[in-house]
Amino acid sequence: GAVVSQHPSWVICKSGTSVKIECRSLDFQATTMFWYRQFPKQSLMLMATSNEGSKATYEQGVEKDKFLINHASLTLSTLTVTSAHPEDSSFYICSAKGDNSPLHFGNGTRLTVT
Amino acid sequence: GDSVTQMEGPVTLSEEAFLTINCTYTATGYPSLFWYVQYPGEGLQLLLKATKADDKGSNKGFEATYRKETTSFHLEKGSVQVSDSAVYFCALSLPGIQGAQKLVFGQGTRLTINP
Repeated sequence: GAVVSQHPSWVICKSGTSVKIECRSLDFQATTMFWYRQFPKQSLMLMATSNEGSKATYEQGVEKDKFLINHASLTLSTLTVTSAHPEDSSFYICSAKGDNSPLHFGNGTRLTVT
Repeated sequence: GDSVTQMEGPVTLSEEAFLTINCTYTATGYPSLFWYVQYPGEGLQLLLKATKADDKGSNKGFEATYRKETTSFHLEKGSVQVSDSAVYFCALSLPGIQGAQKLVFGQGTRLTINP
């Protein structure tokens, strides 16, 4: 079964609203979580790396005020897309790793902004 | 910068055909190399990996050899099955913050196997 749960699996929101995506590790403590974005027919682009209890490290070109990442516990990280616009429509994927566990991926969230 | 380029899809084969999906990389230093597979409706799963030159990763009949001289990590399988239909991602990893491995992915190759 899935060891990383990502929710929701899809969401549609109106332009200007904010959307929160959750990533949970189900049976291990995720000391590090990664957030990726995937455009159609393109590769997964790393957006940010988060470690529990500290601020996320964003990749170059990713707006930290637009994509808020919170890794408040060892089993939960959230990505909030603030003031979403149609160009934010994409497939967002999280992955999680513990000190003694390999990297596991969530099933992804498809965001559509209308 | 560091990057991964893989064969464009989609790739459609008949059952029991031989499969090759090409993957080449550009990286500073000596990355580890991976193939991930994404079955319909599921998350990415690690298929195989190799951590140094000339290593061969293998799993479920798939193989890939880390070729430093050609900076390649091509995925092969001798006889594919319908259940192998999925999207395959080649990736490399680099050391990241606090030792966490950051992955750089190729664009993915959609494979469809017809019975």
